[in-house]
Amino acid sequence: KAGVTQTPRYLIKTRGQQVTLSCSPISGHRSVSWYQQTPGQGLQFLFEYFSETQRNKGNFPGRFSGRQFSNSRSEMNVSTLELGDSALYLCASSRGQGAPYEQYFGPGTRLTVT
Amino acid sequence: KNQVEQSPQSLIILEGKNCTLQCNYTVSPFSNLRWYKQDTGRGPVSLTIMTFSENTKSNGRYTATLDADTKQSSLHITASQLSDSASYICVVSAIYDYKLSFGAGTTVTVRA
Repeated sequence: KAGVTQTPRYLIKTRGQQVTLSCSPISGHRSVSWYQQTPGQGLQFLFEYFSETQRNKGNFPGRFSGRQFSNSRSEMNVSTLELGDSALYLCASSRGQGAPYEQYFGPGTRLTVT
Repeated sequence: KNQVEQSPQSLIILEGKNCTLQCNYTVSPFSNLRWYKQDTGRGPVSLTIMTFSENTKSNGRYTATLDADTKQSSLHITASQLSDSASYICVVSAIYDYKLSFGAGTTVTVRA
């Protein structure tokens, strides 16, 4: 069974630009969660999508948005990039919504903002 | 506020030695606790998941313990190998709360 895939794996953007990251969950998984990981802050929850609807949201500004498609694939968008957005962005998929379900993480997208 | 505290922040051990990582949490009411291993530049991989009624769970050379009364968990690595060098993250969830609470992680470096 294929794992969670994320594209691209590495990305370099300039301050002020926008970026879209993609996540393909494990087949049969309907929930996709997004996380930001930085050396100083650890893993921070961005949002969770289940059945194409955002179910939970972390404490991030509105520049961070996402969506989920009918095939459960998800995209995350960050507009007006800031230097502080440089991080590893991880997505995780699970069979159901939220904490009771095991989450399987993808390899992440390393975003560098210059 | 639900919090998860891990200690130590980092540690260095010699290959073949054992080590124990700690996780204290204030998450309530408790649902489950997970330990993840994250290699540098990769996504976290689940090692164990424990519910309220479980005290110990093993996955190869990794053994996790849980004391739900004191809200403490530990991860013991036996006969460490170079491949154990990674960050170990403790994650706790509460009943009726769909969000997970993450610890900051413990970075383990195994030296030959």
